[in-house]
Amino acid sequence: DQQVKQNSPSLSVQEGRISILNCDYTNSMFDYFLWYKKYPAEGPTFLISISSIKDKNEDGRFTVFLNKSAKHLSLHIVPSQPGDSAVYFCAASVISNSGYALNFGKGTSLLVTP
Amino acid sequence: ETGVTQTPRHLVMGMTNKKSLKCEQHLGHNAMYWYKQSAKKPLELMFVYSLEERVENNSVPSRFSPECPNSSHLFLHLHTLQPEDSALYLCASSPGPSSPVAFFGQGTRLTVV
Repeated sequence: DQQVKQNSPSLSVQEGRISILNCDYTNSMFDYFLWYKKYPAEGPTFLISISSIKDKNEDGRFTVFLNKSAKHLSLHIVPSQPGDSAVYFCAASVISNSGYALNFGKGTSLLVTP
Repeated sequence: ETGVTQTPRHLVMGMTNKKSLKCEQHLGHNAMYWYKQSAKKPLELMFVYSLEERVENNSVPSRFSPECPNSSHLFLHLHTLQPEDSALYLCASSPGPSSPVAFFGQGTRLTVV
Protein backbone atom coordinates (compact mmCIF):
# COMPACT_ATOMS: atom_id res chain seq x y z
CA ASP A 1 0.00 0.00 0.00
CA GLN A 2 1.72 3.15 -1.23
CA GLN A 3 1.70 5.93 1.35
CA VAL A 4 3.30 8.59 -0.86
CA LYS A 5 1.91 9.24 -4.31
CA GLN A 6 3.10 11.34 -7.21
CA ASN A 7 0.30 11.14 -9.73
CA SER A 8 2.02 12.96 -12.57
CA PRO A 9 4.72 10.79 -14.14
CA SER A 10 6.01 13.65 -16.26
CA LEU A 11 5.92 17.43 -16.62
CA SER A 12 7.24 19.73 -19.34
CA VAL A 13 7.92 23.42 -18.64
CA GLN A 14 9.50 26.21 -20.60
CA GLU A 15 12.72 27.73 -19.33
CA GLY A 16 12.08 30.72 -17.06
CA ARG A 17 8.58 29.60 -16.11
CA ILE A 18 7.48 27.99 -12.86
CA SER A 19 7.57 24.22 -12.38
CA ILE A 20 5.11 22.78 -9.86
CA LEU A 21 5.51 19.18 -8.78
CA ASN A 22 2.83 17.63 -6.60
CA CYS A 23 2.77 14.90 -4.00
CA ASP A 24 0.01 13.37 -1.86
CA TYR A 25 0.37 11.19 1.20
CA THR A 26 -1.91 9.07 3.35
CA ASN A 27 -0.11 8.68 6.68
CA SER A 28 -0.85 11.56 9.04
CA MET A 29 2.03 10.45 11.29
CA PHE A 30 4.74 11.57 8.88
CA ASP A 31 7.14 14.03 10.55
CA TYR A 32 9.18 15.23 7.62
CA PHE A 33 8.77 15.58 3.91
CA LEU A 34 11.66 15.74 1.48
CA TRP A 35 12.27 16.25 -2.19
CA TYR A 36 15.05 14.48 -4.02
CA LYS A 37 16.32 15.01 -7.54
CA LYS A 38 17.74 12.18 -9.62
CA TYR A 39 19.71 12.23 -12.84
CA PRO A 40 20.10 9.05 -14.91
CA ALA A 41 22.78 6.67 -13.63
CA GLU A 42 23.13 8.61 -10.37
CA GLY A 43 21.68 8.24 -6.91
CA PRO A 44 19.01 10.64 -5.63
CA THR A 45 20.30 13.98 -4.37
CA PHE A 46 18.61 15.79 -1.50
CA LEU A 47 16.96 19.05 -2.56
CA ILE A 48 14.80 20.50 0.19
CA SER A 49 12.76 19.36 3.17
CA ILE A 50 9.95 20.57 5.38
CA SER A 51 8.90 19.64 8.88
CA SER A 52 5.27 18.75 9.50
CA ILE A 53 4.97 21.75 11.84
CA LYS A 54 5.64 24.19 8.99
CA ASP A 55 3.71 25.02 5.86
CA LYS A 56 6.45 26.52 3.72
CA ASN A 57 10.19 26.25 3.29
CA GLU A 58 12.22 28.16 0.76
CA ASP A 59 15.76 27.67 -0.52
CA GLY A 60 16.76 29.81 -3.45
CA ARG A 61 14.70 28.89 -6.49
CA PHE A 62 13.05 26.00 -4.64
CA THR A 63 10.03 26.29 -2.35
CA VAL A 64 8.10 23.46 -0.75
CA PHE A 65 4.54 23.98 0.44
CA LEU A 66 2.78 21.65 2.86
CA ASN A 67 -0.99 21.43 3.29
CA LYS A 68 -1.55 19.02 6.16
CA SER A 69 -5.32 19.11 6.04
CA ALA A 70 -5.22 18.00 2.41
CA LYS A 71 -2.22 15.70 2.97
CA HIS A 72 -0.57 17.38 0.03
CA LEU A 73 2.76 18.98 -0.67
CA SER A 74 4.23 20.65 -3.69
CA LEU A 75 7.62 21.75 -4.93
CA HIS A 76 7.87 25.02 -6.83
CA ILE A 77 10.89 25.78 -8.96
CA VAL A 78 11.12 29.31 -10.24
CA PRO A 79 12.57 30.23 -12.60
CA SER A 80 13.00 26.79 -14.16
CA GLN A 81 16.29 26.07 -15.90
CA PRO A 82 17.25 23.35 -18.40
CA GLY A 83 19.61 21.87 -15.78
CA ASP A 84 16.59 21.20 -13.59
CA SER A 85 15.51 18.46 -16.01
CA ALA A 86 15.57 15.30 -13.90
CA VAL A 87 13.29 12.94 -12.00
CA TYR A 88 11.97 14.41 -8.76
CA PHE A 89 11.01 12.16 -5.88
CA CYS A 90 8.83 13.12 -2.98
CA ALA A 91 9.58 11.30 0.28
CA ALA A 92 8.08 11.23 3.75
CA SER A 93 9.30 9.82 7.03
CA VAL A 94 8.43 9.11 10.63
CA ILE A 95 11.10 9.36 13.31
CA SER A 96 11.95 6.21 15.20
CA ASN A 97 14.75 5.14 17.52
CA SER A 98 16.73 4.08 14.49
CA GLY A 99 16.35 7.38 12.72
CA TYR A 100 14.32 8.00 9.63
CA ALA A 101 13.26 5.50 6.99
CA LEU A 102 11.94 7.23 3.91
CA ASN A 103 8.78 6.36 1.98
CA PHE A 104 9.12 7.45 -1.62
CA GLY A 105 6.72 8.30 -4.40
CA LYS A 106 7.27 6.95 -7.91
CA GLY A 107 8.76 10.21 -9.12
CA THR A 108 7.90 12.89 -11.67
CA SER A 109 10.13 13.40 -14.66
CA LEU A 110 10.60 17.12 -15.29
CA LEU A 111 11.72 18.42 -18.65
CA VAL A 112 12.64 22.08 -18.92
CA THR A 113 12.81 23.21 -22.53
CA PRO A 114 14.78 26.23 -23.78
CA GLU B 1 35.17 13.16 -2.07
CA THR B 2 31.88 11.35 -2.53
CA GLY B 3 29.98 10.97 0.75
CA VAL B 4 28.50 7.55 -0.01
CA THR B 5 30.33 5.20 -2.36
CA GLN B 6 28.90 2.01 -3.83
CA THR B 7 30.74 -0.74 -5.68
CA PRO B 8 30.36 -2.18 -8.18
CA ARG B 9 28.35 0.27 -10.32
CA HIS B 10 27.14 -2.53 -12.57
CA LEU B 11 26.79 -6.25 -11.93
CA VAL B 12 25.55 -9.11 -14.06
CA MET B 13 25.10 -12.41 -12.27
CA GLY B 14 23.59 -15.80 -12.92
CA MET B 15 20.85 -17.22 -10.75
CA THR B 16 23.25 -19.66 -9.07
CA ASN B 17 25.97 -17.11 -8.33
CA LYS B 18 26.87 -15.49 -5.04
CA LYS B 19 27.92 -11.86 -5.09
CA SER B 20 28.13 -8.93 -2.70
CA LEU B 21 27.40 -5.24 -3.03
CA LYS B 22 29.49 -2.86 -1.00
CA CYS B 23 28.70 0.56 0.43
CA GLU B 24 30.97 2.94 2.30
CA GLN B 25 30.07 6.28 3.84
CA HIS B 26 32.52 9.01 4.85
CA LEU B 27 30.00 11.28 6.56
CA GLY B 28 30.19 10.03 10.12
CA HIS B 29 26.56 8.96 10.02
CA ASN B 30 25.00 6.47 12.40
CA ALA B 31 22.35 4.94 10.17
CA MET B 32 22.70 3.11 6.85
CA TYR B 33 20.07 1.80 4.49
CA TRP B 34 19.57 -0.42 1.47
CA TYR B 35 16.88 0.60 -1.00
CA LYS B 36 15.75 -1.11 -4.17
CA GLN B 37 14.44 0.69 -7.24
CA SER B 38 12.67 -1.44 -9.82
CA ALA B 39 11.35 -0.10 -13.10
CA LYS B 40 8.23 2.05 -12.67
CA LYS B 41 8.15 1.49 -8.92
CA PRO B 42 9.03 3.78 -6.04
CA LEU B 43 12.22 3.25 -4.08
CA GLU B 44 11.57 0.44 -1.63
CA LEU B 45 13.30 0.26 1.73
CA MET B 46 14.98 -3.11 2.26
CA PHE B 47 17.09 -2.81 5.40
CA VAL B 48 17.94 -0.26 8.06
CA TYR B 49 20.98 -0.37 10.30
CA SER B 50 21.43 1.99 13.22
CA LEU B 51 24.77 1.95 15.03
CA GLU B 52 25.57 -1.33 13.27
CA GLU B 53 22.42 -3.08 14.50
CA ARG B 54 19.72 -4.09 12.10
CA VAL B 55 16.54 -2.36 13.20
CA GLU B 56 14.24 -2.90 10.28
CA ASN B 57 13.76 -5.54 7.63
CA ASN B 58 10.88 -4.88 5.31
CA SER B 59 10.03 -8.54 4.64
CA VAL B 60 12.88 -8.96 2.22
CA PRO B 61 13.51 -12.51 0.89
CA SER B 62 16.34 -14.37 2.57
CA ARG B 63 18.29 -14.52 -0.68
CA PHE B 64 19.28 -10.94 0.25
CA SER B 65 21.50 -10.87 3.32
CA PRO B 66 22.83 -7.59 4.73
CA GLU B 67 25.93 -7.11 6.83
CA CYS B 68 27.10 -4.02 8.69
CA PRO B 69 30.55 -4.66 10.20
CA ASN B 70 30.95 -1.04 11.36
CA SER B 71 29.18 2.29 11.05
CA SER B 72 31.00 3.17 7.82
CA HIS B 73 30.45 -0.01 5.83
CA LEU B 74 27.40 -1.88 4.63
CA PHE B 75 27.19 -4.98 2.46
CA LEU B 76 24.39 -6.74 0.68
CA HIS B 77 25.14 -10.39 0.03
CA LEU B 78 23.24 -11.93 -2.86
CA HIS B 79 22.65 -15.61 -3.58
CA THR B 80 20.31 -17.60 -5.81
CA LEU B 81 18.61 -14.49 -7.11
CA GLN B 82 15.77 -14.43 -9.61
CA PRO B 83 15.54 -12.37 -12.81
CA GLU B 84 12.85 -10.22 -11.17
CA ASP B 85 15.50 -9.11 -8.65
CA SER B 86 17.16 -7.12 -11.40
CA ALA B 87 17.01 -3.51 -10.26
CA LEU B 88 19.01 -0.52 -9.07
CA TYR B 89 20.20 -1.07 -5.50
CA LEU B 90 20.87 2.10 -3.59
CA CYS B 91 22.73 2.56 -0.34
CA ALA B 92 22.09 5.58 1.85
CA SER B 93 23.22 6.97 5.16
CA SER B 94 21.80 9.50 7.58
CA PRO B 95 22.89 11.04 10.87
CA GLY B 96 20.17 9.13 12.75
CA PRO B 97 17.34 10.61 14.82
CA SER B 98 18.83 14.12 14.55
CA SER B 99 18.07 14.57 10.86
CA PRO B 100 15.71 13.08 8.31
CA VAL B 101 18.00 13.70 5.35
CA ALA B 102 19.50 10.58 3.77
CA PHE B 103 22.45 10.78 1.43
CA PHE B 104 22.53 8.26 -1.35
CA GLY B 105 25.27 6.51 -3.24
CA GLN B 106 25.18 6.22 -7.01
CA GLY B 107 23.72 2.74 -6.89
CA THR B 108 24.55 -0.66 -8.31
CA ARG B 109 22.66 -1.66 -11.44
CA LEU B 110 22.08 -5.41 -10.99
CA THR B 111 21.03 -7.71 -13.78
CA VAL B 112 20.20 -11.33 -12.99
CA VAL B 113 20.36 -13.67 -15.98
